[in-house]
Amino acid sequence: IAGITQAPTSQILAAGRRMTLRCTQDMRHNAMYWYRQDLGLGLRLIHYSNTAGTTGKGEVPDGYSVSRANTDDFPLTLASAVPSQTSVYFCASSDSGLATGGEQFFGPGTRLTVL
Amino acid sequence: GQQVMQIPQYQHVQEGEDFTTYCNSSTTLSNIQWYKQRPGGHPVFLIQLVKSGEVKKQKRLTFQFGEAKKNSSLHITATQTTDVGTYFCAGGTDSWGKFQFGAGTQVVVTP
Repeated sequence: IAGITQAPTSQILAAGRRMTLRCTQDMRHNAMYWYRQDLGLGLRLIHYSNTAGTTGKGEVPDGYSVSRANTDDFPLTLASAVPSQTSVYFCASSDSGLATGGEQFFGPGTRLTVL
Repeated sequence: GQQVMQIPQYQHVQEGEDFTTYCNSSTTLSNIQWYKQRPGGHPVFLIQLVKSGEVKKQKRLTFQFGEAKKNSSLHITATQTTDVGTYFCAGGTDSWGKFQFGAGTQVVVTP
């Protein structure tokens, strides 16, 4: 079934720990994105990648890193988690870029709690 | 920096009534997208507007992009219980990293 998968579904993490959220799409989309969703703030773009091998910073990149080794996978890493990173994280992909527009397909999300 | 504001934050609607949610950007947008997120779910794409003054309809939903490409609206007629959810606008510019979602309008429908 075509789409985006994210893992884990939820996670409770101790502050200071390293954590990688996984995202895989099988639609062969060039562009992929990571957002965090917090109550009252909507979705905020953390990092994006417009094609395999390239990444860029979004609105709230601090404390997060990404890599795009191939078209399908776009992992998000928290090097040393802090409580303010408690959020719901969504991965998305699109056939075309943010500047030109194009439907973004979202994964089911990862609920992360940092204590 | 770029700001995308959405109002109202919350909308309580009687079934059968109409309502409108508005999206305003501090900067000119290259495109605007609208998404719907059901409670506990993920955002689902509704539509994209690109042209100044563009109007698009999807059954009971009417989307409009302002002439200056800085604002947009979503109007729903004859609201149904299936319209429950949060509606987000999202604005794109020529810069990849500047794509921004509004905070959303949470819609509650009373039968």
